[in-house]
Amino acid sequence: KAGVTQTPRYLIKTRGQQVTLSCSPISGHRSVSWYQQTPGQGLQFLFEYFSETQRNKGNFPGRFSGRQFSNSRSEMNVSTLELGDSALYLCASSGDWYYNEQFFGPGTRLTVL
Amino acid sequence: AQTVTQSQPEMSVQEAETVTLSCTYDTSESDYYLFWYKQPPSRQMILVIRQEAYKQQNATENRFSVNFQKAAKSFSLKISDSQLGDAAMYFCAYRSVNTGANSKLTFGKGITLSVRP
Repeated sequence: KAGVTQTPRYLIKTRGQQVTLSCSPISGHRSVSWYQQTPGQGLQFLFEYFSETQRNKGNFPGRFSGRQFSNSRSEMNVSTLELGDSALYLCASSGDWYYNEQFFGPGTRLTVL
Repeated sequence: AQTVTQSQPEMSVQEAETVTLSCTYDTSESDYYLFWYKQPPSRQMILVIRQEAYKQQNATENRFSVNFQKAAKSFSLKISDSQLGDAAMYFCAYRSVNTGANSKLTFGKGITLSVRP
């Protein structure tokens, strides 16, 4: 099985712009979670989608949003980018409802100038 | 809310030696999962080992084992016969078993492990 894929891998934006990141989960997985990783704050949970519904949400401003499609692919969007949004954005998918082991993608490195 | 603490930001080990990475957590839940994830430089995060809180037996995966002390809320990772490929950042993580309401992973800050040849 192919692993979790994320596109693009690298992105450079300027303040005020918006960005959309994409995540394709492992085939058959219905849950997709997003995390932000920064040197200062570490790994922080953004949100989780399961069967096209947002199931959990972390403590991030409304500029961060996401969605999931019927094929389980997920996108996250960040509007009005700020310098502090520069981070590695990780996507993780899981399929087993009970255990819910999460498999991570390689991440998208976002740099905001 | 649950918290995970990794108080040692960096550790170093000689190749073929044993190293223990520490992790403590705080929760009011009685059942949960604990994980150690490995993130090599510029590579993706992979699961090293997991522990179900209701199991008293410590989990083991080849050279990796944990020391799970539920009462002390401690979850350390022991790496035996360290190899150069073990060099990475290691994250301790917590997850509730209540999958419907709270399936997110809560991570510690991570420990950077270097392996000396």
